[in-house]
Amino acid sequence: QVQLQESGPGQVKPSQTLSLTCTVSGDSFGSADYYWSWIRQSPGKGLEWIGYIYYSGSTYSNPSLKSRVSISRDTSKNQFSLKLTSVTAADTAVYYCARDSDLGQPGNWHFDLWGRGTLVTVSS
Amino acid sequence: QSVLTQPPSVSGAPGQRVTISCTGTSSNIGAGFAVHWYQQLPGAAPRLLIYADIHRPSGIPDRFSASKSGSSASLAITGLQGDDEADYYCQSYDNSLSGSRVFGTGTKVTVL
Repeated sequence: QVQLQESGPGQVKPSQTLSLTCTVSGDSFGSADYYWSWIRQSPGKGLEWIGYIYYSGSTYSNPSLKSRVSISRDTSKNQFSLKLTSVTAADTAVYYCARDSDLGQPGNWHFDLWGRGTLVTVSS
Repeated sequence: QSVLTQPPSVSGAPGQRVTISCTGTSSNIGAGFAVHWYQQLPGAAPRLLIYADIHRPSGIPDRFSASKSGSSASLAITGLQGDDEADYYCQSYDNSLSGSRVFGTGTKVTVL
C-alpha cells in the first residue's frame, strides 16, 4: 500500500528557505501514471496547490509561487522535495505532499493519496 | 486565491440531505475539465471523496454523490451522519493557468 510522509523543519525564519521532503513508500514513485504534488493550507484557510514533479523530472508550479518554488526528486530514495525561498509569515501553513493522477485522461488530475501534513511556521 | 467558489457553510439534521455547490468558469469546469471532491475531517489531511465528476473511490459510501453541469458542480450527502461534519473542497484543472490544479474555497458541513 502506497503511503506518503512529509518531513522537515517545523520552523523557518523570515527571508530564509523552507525545505521539505516527501518519502513515498510503495512502488508507484517511478510510474509514468503519476505526478507528485505539494499542497499547503494556511491556518484556518483553504487548500493551495504549490506544484508537481513528474516521473521524468519535469516540474510545474503555481504561477503565484513560481518564482520562489523549486521541486526536485531523488529516485534512489523514493523522495521528492520542496524548496520555497524568501519565506514570510504568509507562508506559515500545513504542507502536504500528495499523489496526483489523471487516470490516463488529460485534465482529470486529482489527488488520490495524501500525506498527513507537516506544519511549518515562519517566525524569527 | 481560490478559483472555484463554494458556500462557506451548510448544515443539516442527522438523516437529512445537504448539497454543496462549486462554481467555476469557462477556463476550468466550464471547459469540461473534471471536478473532484475532498473531505477534510478536523485535524486530518484531506481525502479523496469523488473523482472524475461522479466516481467514488473504494470505501466511500454511496451516501456521497456528485454531479456537474456547465460551469458548476455539486456534491450531495444523503442520510447525514455526525461523522460527516467536516470541510469539503472541490478541485479541478484550469487552462488559463497552464498546468494548474485549482481548489474551491471550501465548505464547512455542520450536523445539527
